[in-house]
Amino acid sequence: GDSVTQMEGPVTLSEEAFLTINCTYTATGYPSLFWYVQYPGEGLQLLLKATKADDKGSNKGFEATYRKETTSFHLEKGSVQVSDSAVYFCALSGPSGGSYIPTFGRGTSLIVHP
Amino acid sequence: KAGVTQTPRYLIKTRGQQVTLSCSPISGHRSVSWYQQTPGQGLQFLFEYFSETQRNKGNFPGRFSGRQFSNSRSEMNVSTLELGDSALYLCASSLGDRSFLSGNTIYFGEGSWLTVV
Repeated sequence: GDSVTQMEGPVTLSEEAFLTINCTYTATGYPSLFWYVQYPGEGLQLLLKATKADDKGSNKGFEATYRKETTSFHLEKGSVQVSDSAVYFCALSGPSGGSYIPTFGRGTSLIVHP
Repeated sequence: KAGVTQTPRYLIKTRGQQVTLSCSPISGHRSVSWYQQTPGQGLQFLFEYFSETQRNKGNFPGRFSGRQFSNSRSEMNVSTLELGDSALYLCASSLGDRSFLSGNTIYFGEGSWLTVV
């Protein structure tokens, strides 16, 4: 079945550092790919998405490019802020054996220090 | 506009009891889906409803059930609670059917924290 693998956390950075959170996936067909963010005590929020190969999703300074050849969707930000501290989830969904059950990674905790 | 609202936010139940969680989607949204989030298993899809019909179901036992009403509000029920059912239960809503398949934006609520003792 489909699966999403994210890098283990926590990722600890200083403010203004460059961020990369790796995400790779296994899926049949051509899934849509997503990054969700969960701030402390809140529900999940859609951060960005890409629906086809080579698409780049972007929002709030975060970017991720749908790489079909490497089955990856790595999240990047050039300069993180303390307010970016949260848990980030990579997810996919798409036609797979007739179903479309969304599949999430286990989440990567990001801690940004001033 | 108001977001996805889930009630109750926190509850404690005893093993063997049952629980009902409620979800009010964003106004105009007709699709509601439910997820279970635990530290051990991460975020797992339970089921999705659109126009009162269950559209898809994840790999959970029959103790987990749900329904959707004509006003798009949804409830999920867990019967014969087990300790392992302790989790954050998230509801999400979106405009159209099979939203994850189409890449539509899905809006999550803050969740209901269930503790089974």
